[in-house]
Amino acid sequence: EAQVTQNPRYLITVTGKKLTVTCSQNMNHEYMSWYRQDPGLGLRQIYYSMNVEVTDKGDVPEGYKVSRKEKRNFPLILESPSPNQTSLYFCASSFSSGGTGELFFGEGSRLTVL
Amino acid sequence: GENVEQHPSTLSVQEGDSAVIKCTYSDSASNYFPWYKQELGKRPQLIIDIRSNVGEKKDQRIAVTLNKTAKHFSLHITETQPEDSAVYFCAASISAAGNKLTFGGGTRVLVKP
Repeated sequence: EAQVTQNPRYLITVTGKKLTVTCSQNMNHEYMSWYRQDPGLGLRQIYYSMNVEVTDKGDVPEGYKVSRKEKRNFPLILESPSPNQTSLYFCASSFSSGGTGELFFGEGSRLTVL
Repeated sequence: GENVEQHPSTLSVQEGDSAVIKCTYSDSASNYFPWYKQELGKRPQLIIDIRSNVGEKKDQRIAVTLNKTAKHFSLHITETQPEDSAVYFCAASISAAGNKLTFGGGTRVLVKP
């Protein structure tokens, strides 16, 4: 089954404790991206990757890191989480890297930073 | 960068009525406009999209219209049903800009039986 898998789905952590949210897709997509969803603000792009070893900042990259060592994986790293990073996070992938392809989203990861 | 505004933020309609959601974008170079539907507790999923060389596109009860001159596009849902209740997001992107899709703030649609 074609899918984007995120883990963990739910996480409560404390300020400053490093965490990683994993994302894996089995569709051989070149493009992957991370979004955060906050009420009234829609989906805001954090980072994206056009291919292996190619990453770029989205609209809200501060406080986040990513890596793309393998085509299927695109982890999101919060080196020192803060309460304003409490949010619902979605990983997404797409066959198209030209901005015009359907995005396939993971199920989301709800993160709470105390 | 691109800015997408979406209205209304909430929309309540009677079952069987039509629902219309409107979005405006700022960058005249944008040429791809998808709409995503997110049911409660679920992931967003693409329901329809339109490209700048097309003015209107229909898929059963859903239609999207695009006015490039005015830089706005709209989603129309006819004969609404309870399963249409969800949050809808519009988005815009420039195909040459590396898949930088900018989303609107979302519209929560409630279809009352």
